[in-house]
Formats: sequence, C-alpha cells, structure tokens
Amino acid sequence: GENVEQHPSTLSVQEGDSAVIKCTYSDSASNYFPWYKQELGKGPQLIIDIRSNVGEKKDQRIAVTLNKTAKHFSLHITETHPEDSAVYFCAASSWGKLQFGAGTQVVVTP
Amino acid sequence: DGGITQSPKYLFRKEGQNVTLSCEQNLNHDAMYWYRQDPGQGLRLIYYSQIVNDFQKGDIAEGYSVSREKKESFPLTVTSAQKNPTAFYLCASSIDGGGTYNEQFFGPGTRLTVL
Repeated sequence: GENVEQHPSTLSVQEGDSAVIKCTYSDSASNYFPWYKQELGKGPQLIIDIRSNVGEKKDQRIAVTLNKTAKHFSLHITETHPEDSAVYFCAASSWGKLQFGAGTQVVVTP
Repeated sequence: DGGITQSPKYLFRKEGQNVTLSCEQNLNHDAMYWYRQDPGQGLRLIYYSQIVNDFQKGDIAEGYSVSREKKESFPLTVTSAQKNPTAFYLCASSIDGGGTYNEQFFGPGTRLTVL
C-alpha cells in the first residue's frame, strides 16, 4: 500500500519568512496530492491540492510542487503570518483513498 | 449551512463500555470516512463507505464497527475490543469514493477519552 513520509515534523519561522514542507510517497499509481491545515482542536481543512498531470500550482501565498519521477511533493508558504501557525498534513491518493503524512507543526513567531 | 457535523465534541467513557460517535453530512456526498488521530501521527483510516448499505475496512478497523443506513449518516461504534480507544476521531465525506480526484471534507472531530 501507499506510504507517505513528511518532513520536518516541526518548523519554526519568523513572520514574513517562507516555510517549506516536503513529502515523499511510495505508490507510483497515486495521482492526487492534497494538503490540509489543522488548527488546534479542529478538523483538517483543505488548503491546496495538485493532480499528477500538473507540476506546480499556486494560490496566493501558497504553492505546491510535484515531482512524479522522484515521487515527492512540497508545500511552500511565502510571507508567513502568525495565523499560518497550525499543523499541516500532506496526503497521497490513488482511487479515492487518502494516505496521510505524520504532519508538520508550523510556528510563526512575530 | 452545508457541512459535516460530529457530536459530541468531547466524550468520556469508562473502560469496557461501547460508545457511538455521530457523523452527519448535508453535502449530498456519496462517500464517508472515519479516521483516528493520535498525537504526533497522521490520520489513519478506520472505515469508509462509498454508498449506502456498503462499507469497507480501512487500515485500523479492529475494535470498531460502522453502519450506513442513510446517505447522510455514518455512525462509528468504538467497542470494548478496541485496546486503546482514547483518541481524536474525525469524520469526512467526498462526492464519491472511487473518483480519481477525491477531495475530502472533514468534520470538527470528537475527542474520546476512556477512563
């Protein structure tokens, strides 16, 4: 089955700096890669996703890149704000079932 | 408002008791999912249902049971056979379960503590 590894487990950045989270997956059949943001005590919320036929996608301060050959994908957050502090999860999907990474705790300090 | 609701938000039970967690959605989604979240770990799939009256085991189904009698509802029962039931439980839904690109929407979660 699919295995997703996520790094780093914690990330501390100064407000205004960029944050990068990286994930690798094992199943070459995976074709959908969402990223979720989870605030304390709440359910995860989808922030961006990318499909296997696309190499990069951007939405304002958030971007995701996908390297199918190397089986890795990354989340980039630019100009971070304190409100970006949360746990971020990557996931990989083939035929509907999502396999999640272990999560990255991002702390943005003012 | 359209969305997924889970109740209760916090649940306390004594060891050895079965407990049922509620999940309701009004998004008209065919597929529903239950995940378990433990500190420092990602979400692990317990059960999922792609259509009414049908469901499949996920990666960690032992000690859990589900039913899907209505499209809107997918309750999860944590049985006494689950050896470590204290966790945060998340319900999710998607338009369909077999689609190639399958955005899942999550509820707010239920934190279960077994004393």
